[in-house]
Amino acid sequence: NAGVMQNPRHLVRRRGQEARLRCSPMKGHSHVYWYRQLPEEGLKFMVYLQKENIIDESGMPKERFSAEFPKEGPSILRIQQVVRGDSAAYFCASSMDLLETQYFGPGTRLLVL
Amino acid sequence: KQEVTQIPAALSVPEGENLVLNCSFTDSAIYNLQWFRQDPGKGLTSLLLIQSSQREQTSGRLNASLDKSSGRSTLYIAASQPGDSATYLCAVIPAGGTSYGKLTFGQGTILTVHP
Repeated sequence: NAGVMQNPRHLVRRRGQEARLRCSPMKGHSHVYWYRQLPEEGLKFMVYLQKENIIDESGMPKERFSAEFPKEGPSILRIQQVVRGDSAAYFCASSMDLLETQYFGPGTRLLVL
Repeated sequence: KQEVTQIPAALSVPEGENLVLNCSFTDSAIYNLQWFRQDPGKGLTSLLLIQSSQREQTSGRLNASLDKSSGRSTLYIAASQPGDSATYLCAVIPAGGTSYGKLTFGQGTILTVHP
């Protein structure tokens, strides 16, 4: 059973471009969480999704950021018009059910030039 | 608002020592507490999960305890090895209908075990 997959592992964007981060949860997992780790800071929750639904996006900036988890395919975290402050490691985690152990992917490290 | 604090921020020990990492949280209303390990440039590996009704969990050389009423957890590592060198993160899932299982993390303890 493959673990949580994230791609790309590294992403470089110039200011103003768009960044798309993908997350494929573990097989059988329908709960997906996105977290962000800014330099020298801890991991912070961004958004929680179940298939086709955003359940909690209280940690996600209201502008430029969006997330989806379609019926088919990976979950996508999309950042429009990136700025230098978006440079961070973005981690996806999945779980089989609410409150079960969350398994993390290797992360996508975004660098905005 | 739940806050998680980990002490010490960094720890360096010689190989073979037993050590304790500390985690405290401000709100005792939690569903569970989880300890993770993060290697440089890598993702997080779950080490132990303690339900709010449990007092401790063990896995190999690792033992985690939970005192929910005082808002504290410890991770005990026995007979440390250089391969244990990593950042150790503590995280809680707050109780409450709107927590939705989202983890609140501490800042981590950077552990270095030297030969």
